[in-house]
Amino acid sequence: SYELTQPPSVSVSPGQTARITCSGDAFPKKYAYWYQQKSGQAPVLVLYEDTRRPSGIPERFSGSSSGTTATLTISGAQVEDEADYYCSSTDNTPNPRFGGGTKLTVL
Amino acid sequence: EVQLVESGGDLVQPGGSLRLSCVFSGFTFKTYAMTWVRQAPGKGLEGVSFISASGTNTYYADSVRGRFTISRDSSKNTLYLQMSSLRAEDTAVYYCAKGALGDYPYFDSWGQGTLVTVSS
Repeated sequence: SYELTQPPSVSVSPGQTARITCSGDAFPKKYAYWYQQKSGQAPVLVLYEDTRRPSGIPERFSGSSSGTTATLTISGAQVEDEADYYCSSTDNTPNPRFGGGTKLTVL
Repeated sequence: EVQLVESGGDLVQPGGSLRLSCVFSGFTFKTYAMTWVRQAPGKGLEGVSFISASGTNTYYADSVRGRFTISRDSSKNTLYLQMSSLRAEDTAVYYCAKGALGDYPYFDSWGQGTLVTVSS
């Protein structure tokens, strides 16, 4: 199975560390990718190949992967980080598969 | 600046067909893989189809295989998604997205999406 499982919601106060997990049999054979989607907007890539940050993504976004779980960490979460976050990986083809998404609330 | 603009979304009856287009600028088209990702109302993301940088290789989600066809026209800087035998469950916002250099399965630029509604 190539299902990716995320918690439906995570809530933190501003300045705290938010961790969003993504579990699946694809890991660790395949990389994890993470996307942020704010309300009414298109997704934005925030991490690729488990730990790498695209240019323009703040350093507070980091990633890790261990066993069958990949984790997105937001250190010192800010109100503007409030969004849905989706992990992604692949199966036997490069067509992307996504987790169900995690709604991050920062308040 | 990379820009992707989708069009072609519409209200269509079950069993009907539709072709989506994604026109882009700001990068050399044939260097990057492309994908279509959809999002049903209030739901999560679903990878619909992927096409390699060369256009040689195409891949589809099980839910659309045999009904949808992805293609690309470098001369027009345009990505297409031909959809047929549409079902109510195909109702979604469809995004096109640009891959990283080569055929890596992650996508660093997205369009704003076009809405497809399948209903009688």
